[in-house]
Amino acid sequence: DTGVSQDPRHKITKRGQNVTFRCDPISEHNRLYWYRQTLGQGPEFLTYFQNEAQLEKSRLLSDRFSAERPKGSFSTLEIQRTEQGDSAMYLCASSPTGNNYGYTFGSGTRLTVV
Amino acid sequence: QQQVKQSPQSLIVQKGGISIINCAYENTAFDYFPWYQQFPGKGPALLIAIRPDVSEKKEGRFTISFNKSAKQFSLHIMDSQPGDSATYFCAASPTRSGAGSYQLTFGKGTKLSVIP
Repeated sequence: DTGVSQDPRHKITKRGQNVTFRCDPISEHNRLYWYRQTLGQGPEFLTYFQNEAQLEKSRLLSDRFSAERPKGSFSTLEIQRTEQGDSAMYLCASSPTGNNYGYTFGSGTRLTVV
Repeated sequence: QQQVKQSPQSLIVQKGGISIINCAYENTAFDYFPWYQQFPGKGPALLIAIRPDVSEKKEGRFTISFNKSAKQFSLHIMDSQPGDSATYFCAASPTRSGAGSYQLTFGKGTKLSVIP
């Protein structure tokens, strides 16, 4: 499978707990993105990496959120002290350098905070 | 501030009919306009995209029409099939280097139902 892989697919957590999601992009893609999608809405941009460098962060990415992409390969998104408002689908996407058209999304991680 | 407005919110079309979804944008820096198709439990999948140097792009049954002066673009699905039933999102981004150049701004989506 050469698509974008996300793990886990579903996560239920209690309010106040920390959660971490993983994204494995398409291997030859240098750019990696995280988006958040709530029910009935389009995806909203969270952050963007080119290789290991985090180049852009949305104001949606509060200080409870942190993303990393060590060695420019897989990426993790951690949410600390989860709140009910964090419940959403977290989508990862990747694209190759020089091609802004080639956004490929993974199937997402659905987070439910209870 | 919603930068990409999409309509309608939902659409029911008979099999074989034409589905039309419209989007309008505000940011004149946008110069890449893709459409995504999303099935339940899946991530969005790129369907077709257009740059503002052309007014229309066709791929199979899917056509994008683009009106730069009105800042509007639309998706037409010809000969709609039950398998096309999904949620469709328009999106836009600037592609020139600078802040926001790789961020897609999405519309709120249109749930399409194609009935036999």
